[in-house]
Amino acid sequence: AQSVTQPDIHITVSEGASLELRCNYSYGATPYLFWYVQSPGQGLQLLLKYFSGDTLVQGIKGFEAEFKRSQSSFNLRKPSVHWSDAAEYFCAVGPDTDKLIFGTGTRLQVFP
Amino acid sequence: EAQVTQNPRYLITVTGKKLTVTCSQNMNHEYMSWYRQDPGLGLRQIYYSMNVEVTDKGDVPEGYKVSRKEKRNFPLILESPSPNQTSLYFCATMRSGVPYGYTFGSGTRLTVV
Repeated sequence: AQSVTQPDIHITVSEGASLELRCNYSYGATPYLFWYVQSPGQGLQLLLKYFSGDTLVQGIKGFEAEFKRSQSSFNLRKPSVHWSDAAEYFCAVGPDTDKLIFGTGTRLQVFP
Repeated sequence: EAQVTQNPRYLITVTGKKLTVTCSQNMNHEYMSWYRQDPGLGLRQIYYSMNVEVTDKGDVPEGYKVSRKEKRNFPLILESPSPNQTSLYFCATMRSGVPYGYTFGSGTRLTVV
């Protein structure tokens, strides 16, 4: 069965530090991969997505993610975190175009 | 502006009192879905609809009903709410056949006492 694992429940970083949020998926073929961000009290906003082609994808707010087929991973990165990046981040995999399976989320806390 | 509108944003109700959470979209998307979000469990799909009059169960459908009489609306119905349905609910839409990902509503925080 398809699944998504986000191993880190909670991450704390200092403002200006680099960030990497981990995401591993289980799926037999190349999936559609997404990262969403949820700010407190808000809905989910799409950060970036991967369908095919270049395995390094750029998203909004300075985020990027790299698809590594050999590791079944799609980690989210940002070179320098801002206080406004504090939020919960969800990785999602789409085995087809009409359904997404979400990970359990990683809560990011940013210290000044 | 492309929007998914959920109402209400917050709702406190009592066990057994029927309620409906509405979801409306203005993007002409075929696909609509309801998720619930609980701490440590992420988002779990309740029901989804591929188009008008076509609905199907997601992963946690027990205690919920949906209908899709019009393309733009996809209400979530709790006929007899129970405390274990206290959760944060999201409606999501997507254009079928195009893997652009979901557009989410702002959420409905439901408390059943």
